[in-house]
Amino acid sequence: LAKTTQPISMDSYEGQEVNITCSHNNIATNDYITWYQQFPSQGPRFIIQGYKTKVTNEVASLFIPADRKSSTLSLPRVSLSDTAVYYCLVVNNYGGATNKLIFGTGTLLAVQP
Amino acid sequence: GAVVSQHPSRVICKSGTSVKIECRSLDFQATTMFWYRQFPKQSLMLMATSNEGSKATYEQGVEKDKFLINHASLTLSTLTVTSAHPEDSSFYICSAIGTSGVSTDTQYFGPGTRLTVL
Repeated sequence: LAKTTQPISMDSYEGQEVNITCSHNNIATNDYITWYQQFPSQGPRFIIQGYKTKVTNEVASLFIPADRKSSTLSLPRVSLSDTAVYYCLVVNNYGGATNKLIFGTGTLLAVQP
Repeated sequence: GAVVSQHPSRVICKSGTSVKIECRSLDFQATTMFWYRQFPKQSLMLMATSNEGSKATYEQGVEKDKFLINHASLTLSTLTVTSAHPEDSSFYICSAIGTSGVSTDTQYFGPGTRLTVL
């Protein structure tokens, strides 16, 4: 399983765009990049998943360069309620989604007023 | 869609007793469920993978006789912490992967169960 590296913490202010970058140098051909959000004492919530280039949904955008050795989660105009831990994971989905997730340390995003 | 529930949300028990935690996929069927443990200010640690109708696969270092997992149906997996001790106090979280009706590439997580062993 590819290991991921991301900043331990980040600070931002309300209304700003936040970009969290994750390194996954050993990503394999069949691996996808997935991001989860976790609030204290809650289970993680799926944010976005992608394989290459750019993926956008109603919550965030995910940018993946051609070499796929890193990815950037972009949160537009954050609010106080976006304060949470964000996990970047590399998942092998070949042959069906039965592969386990190995969580790293995550990035604690603190949004201030 | 894709809602996973856990019961109970929090439980306090005496040392030496057993505690059962339920994980249910409410609006989809899940052939595979996962159990995680999370200590304060730490990341989630995968404990085991639970497949419906078969024995669970435990991660290295996780005692299968202490953490009993049963996945008897496509919507229910249970984790029983046997002879619980204070060091088993933690936040236990399950997740499920759907077979149809939801994304089959995504793990959907439950809200977690806070276990405190006195």
